[in-house]
Amino acid sequence: DTGVSQDPRHKITKRGQNVTFRCDPISEHNRLYWYRQTLGQGPEFLTYFQNEAQLEKSRLLSDRFSAERPKGSFSTLEIQRTEQGDSAMYLCASSPDTFYRDTQYFGPGTRLTVL
Amino acid sequence: GDSVTQMEGPVTLSEEAFLTINCTYTATGYPSLFWYVQYPGEGLQLLLKATKADDKGSNKGFEATYRKETTSFHLEKGSVQVSDSAVYFCALSGTNYGGSQGNLIFGKGTKLSVKP
Repeated sequence: DTGVSQDPRHKITKRGQNVTFRCDPISEHNRLYWYRQTLGQGPEFLTYFQNEAQLEKSRLLSDRFSAERPKGSFSTLEIQRTEQGDSAMYLCASSPDTFYRDTQYFGPGTRLTVL
Repeated sequence: GDSVTQMEGPVTLSEEAFLTINCTYTATGYPSLFWYVQYPGEGLQLLLKATKADDKGSNKGFEATYRKETTSFHLEKGSVQVSDSAVYFCALSGTNYGGSQGNLIFGKGTKLSVKP
């Protein structure tokens, strides 16, 4: 069990550029979640997948954001035309699709800075 | 909608002091409750959880009891150490008329600093 991994750990980009983050969940976990955390706040839910199906999206996930999990394993989160307000830590989490589905395990996060 | 409110920090304690971090919640259904900890420069780690009323979660000397009557899940530790310095987040599993949605709802976090 290697835990949830995220890549890159840090990303600096200029406003208007597109960025893509990757998340690799714990191997036997069917559920995968994306959250955003800004300074001094708790994580806020963005979206989650069960296998390859995207089952829920938050209103925070604007049209510029898109997430995929094409083979039910790793996931990508893309932000198009980045804005300074997108600067945040993007967290990925996974959980099993069992009785313990509520228990989510988090990766180290990707810190995005939009200049 | 569902929400979590936790005491604002920062909290500064001396080593071996007693710790309480208050957390209350609002939920329409029957959520599970969690405490996560974030050490400096690291990701969120699950500290403990409770899935139903009167359950007590415990780990590493920390405890929290799911109190449905007061809608609370306060975190306690009898004797804190310098290594406990971190940000602590209370969270609940989102509910939808008694069922669990996919998301966790977090409080804003409480920063704890323990001085030697």
